[in-house]
Parts: sequence; structure tokens; C-alpha cells
Amino acid sequence: AQRVTQPEKLLSVFKGAPVELKCNYSYSGSPELFWYVQYSRQRLQLLLRHISRESIKGFTADLNKGETSFHLKKPFAQEEDSAMYYCALKGNQGGKLIFGQGTELSVKP
Amino acid sequence: NAGVTQTPKFQVLKTGQSMTLQCAQDMNHEYMSWYRQDPGMGLRLIHYSVGAGITDQGEVPNGYNVSRSTTEDFPLRLLSAAPSQTSVYFCASSFGGTGGYNEQFFGPGTRLTVL
Repeated sequence: AQRVTQPEKLLSVFKGAPVELKCNYSYSGSPELFWYVQYSRQRLQLLLRHISRESIKGFTADLNKGETSFHLKKPFAQEEDSAMYYCALKGNQGGKLIFGQGTELSVKP
Repeated sequence: NAGVTQTPKFQVLKTGQSMTLQCAQDMNHEYMSWYRQDPGMGLRLIHYSVGAGITDQGEVPNGYNVSRSTTEDFPLRLLSAAPSQTSVYFCASSFGGTGGYNEQFFGPGTRLTVL
């Protein structure tokens, strides 16, 4: 079965603290994983994808095939990082995206 | 470029009514899709299209119809609205599918309430 699990509905941290948003997946084969973000009153947008191995707005995510995880990390959270974050997996049927339940990140001053 | 546009932004329907949610993109994207967003459920794929004239079902297609007569437009039709269809609906598009470097671009959403 293809599935994405984000175990935390809400993650609340103070400004300057490290952040880790968890994402676990279930997929047979080589997965393609993404993180999407939705800021307040804005549309959903791509944050980063694992094949790029990039750092966007200080966020990084490493694919760990052994643990089937793709956790999103940032060493020092900023208030502007407050948003809804979705982990997504490319499915093997028609190229569709399978989304996790989402984690709301709240960064307090 | 307007990107992905959706109309209406808000809609209230009575049970049994039908309506069409509009989605258009001006980026010449081949791939378009419809999702619904519900609390605690994430985004779930309703229907998608890999090009004009080609559509397929996603995870939760029941109660919805789609068609793709042009590259630009991908309307979602609710045949007989039910309270369970109360949700926020997002349209998205991308070049050639959802993998690799094909970023999905999302519309602003339509908030639908069915009474």
C-alpha cells in the first residue's frame, strides 16, 4: 500500500529552536518525496523535493529508505515559518501525489 | 500569467443540488488534478487528467465528474451534493505528471458547504 503518515497534527516551538516535522511513507520501489507548505491565506506551494537535495528557507529533508522517513528539519525556527506542512509521495499510478495528513507548525516569539 | 485560477471562492449548496467548480490554468500544463482538503485527512485526490480528452479517477471519485475538453480547463461537477462533500477543493496543474522536477502548482481553493 502507498501511504504517507505525518504523526503530529500540531507542532509548537519557540523562535530560534530546532524544528523537525516527521514524515513516514509506505511504498514498494524507489520513492519520490516532496514537502509542500501552505502559509496563512496563501495557496499550497512546493517547498522542496528529495531528488534536488536542496535547502529552501533553511529547511532540509533527507530520505532515509531504511526507516522509510523523509523528515523536514530546520536548525533555527523563525516566526514566518508558521504554516501548514504536507509531506507527499509520488504514486505509481498515473503519477498522482499522495499527501499526508499535514502538520501545523506554530513558531512563537 | 494568472497561474491556476478557481471559481467560485465560496459556495453554499443545499443537499441534492448540483454545481460545477471551475479550474483554469494558463501555463500549458498537461497534468491537472482535483483534491479535497479535510481536517485530519490531508489532501485526497478526486480526479486527474494527463491531457485533453483523458481523465481518470483518484482516491475519492464518488459523487464527482470531470471532463477535459481543452488543455486549459478542468471543471469538477458535483452531481447531487451531500453534506459529506463539505470541504475545501483545490485544483492543481503541472508539466507531465507529478514526479521528478514537475512541480505541482495549486489554485487558491474553493470552500464548499453543503447544508
